[in-house]
Amino acid sequence: ETGVTQSPTHLIKTRGQQVTLRCSSQSGHNTVSWYQQALGQGPQFIFQYYREEENGRGNFPPRFSGLQFPNYSSELNVNALELDDSALYLCASSQGGGGYNEQFFGPGTRLTVL
Amino acid sequence: AQSVSQHNHHVILSEAASLELGCNYSYGGTVNLFWYVQYPGQHLQLLLKYFSGDPLVKGIKGFEAEFIKSKFSFNLRKPSVQWSDTAEYFCAVNGRGGSYIPTFGRGTSLIVHP
Repeated sequence: ETGVTQSPTHLIKTRGQQVTLRCSSQSGHNTVSWYQQALGQGPQFIFQYYREEENGRGNFPPRFSGLQFPNYSSELNVNALELDDSALYLCASSQGGGGYNEQFFGPGTRLTVL
Repeated sequence: AQSVSQHNHHVILSEAASLELGCNYSYGGTVNLFWYVQYPGQHLQLLLKYFSGDPLVKGIKGFEAEFIKSKFSFNLRKPSVQWSDTAEYFCAVNGRGGSYIPTFGRGTSLIVHP
């Protein structure tokens, strides 16, 4: 069984640029959730995708967008990067939408915005 | 809006000491409650969860948590900690009845000295 994988591991961008982060869900999982974790803080929920549809969204501006593909992998896109977007971005997969099924987290992508 | 407060940001214990990590939440309805743990160098993982039923929930590695509805609390406990319990612990809440939008606490860093 392959766990949740994320790419890239680290990324450095400059303010105003756009970035795409990728997540492959664990085998058998149809739901992916994305979180932003700033240094010294807990994860903040960005959104969840269940069977290719957005299934919940946290308090993030529209420049944070996502996609889920038929194989249930997912992308997080962030446009017009700001310095405060520097954080660890976590992806978690589960079988079923909502929060009733255990989420399995990936290692994260560390984004630095200069 | 829901919120989560973890009172202790840093806890240092000796092996065999008892542990209690506080978690209080704010939400006007029924909630699902979670504790997550992140061991050094590992991914975030679920420790235990409460949806309904017995308010005393047992999780992995000897951890348990008690949901006290009147106090809006979901404290994590372990009678005797081990060096291997050194980790970051996060409490999370998700209000039921709407979209899945979980809120995580800031986290508690636990260091257990052998």
